[in-house]
Amino acid sequence: QVPLVESGGGVVQPGKSLSLSCVASGFSFSGHGMHWVRQAPGKGLECLAFISYDGTKKSYADSVKGRFTISRDNYRKRIYLQMNSLRPEDTAVYYCARGDNGVDVWGRGTTVTVSS
Amino acid sequence: DIQMTQSPSSLSASVGDRVTITCRASQGIRNDLDWYQQKPGTAPKGLIYAASMLPSGVPSRFSGSGSATEFTLTISSLQPEDFATYYCLQHNSYPWTFGQGTKVEIK
Repeated sequence: QVPLVESGGGVVQPGKSLSLSCVASGFSFSGHGMHWVRQAPGKGLECLAFISYDGTKKSYADSVKGRFTISRDNYRKRIYLQMNSLRPEDTAVYYCARGDNGVDVWGRGTTVTVSS
Repeated sequence: DIQMTQSPSSLSASVGDRVTITCRASQGIRNDLDWYQQKPGTAPKGLIYAASMLPSGVPSRFSGSGSATEFTLTISSLQPEDFATYYCLQHNSYPWTFGQGTKVEIK
């Protein structure tokens, strides 16, 4: 059983929106902070967004602040990433990750390509 | 935001070599630093947490040290499966930030 599974990636035009989802299994989802981390082709890792275990605290990287929104549904054991005003530089593999002090569980990632 | 400066960006080494990678934080982060290993096409894997703690299952040839602003990952005797890219991550304050990565290649 894979603890974190992302979905929703695909090809989207610049300026459009896309929503990613990550479903958790095998652990107490509502007890953990969760993150979205991305990796552009051939580049390093970037922490994009964090949401606390109860959804009351959120944080964003400057590169996505105001364009991306993280949310969670503890009943459905899911987190989401709403991505608006997408740019070509948002092209990346997007990982869902669990972590309160560092990341201890990673999803396998979903690929987002922003291209006309 | 806290900036993490990782060096070197790449290195070539042989099996059996001792390898050292450094991360410097732009401000003190106590020991809120982890190290990850990533192989192509896969998600990162945790190697060291809290600067120097080894998770179960990680070989003892990996070690971490440091605190505040300077941290080191050491591989005491490089093995064939260790050729990969390594990242540090500070989780002292949001947004968390990674170092730029160090690609360890075969000499």
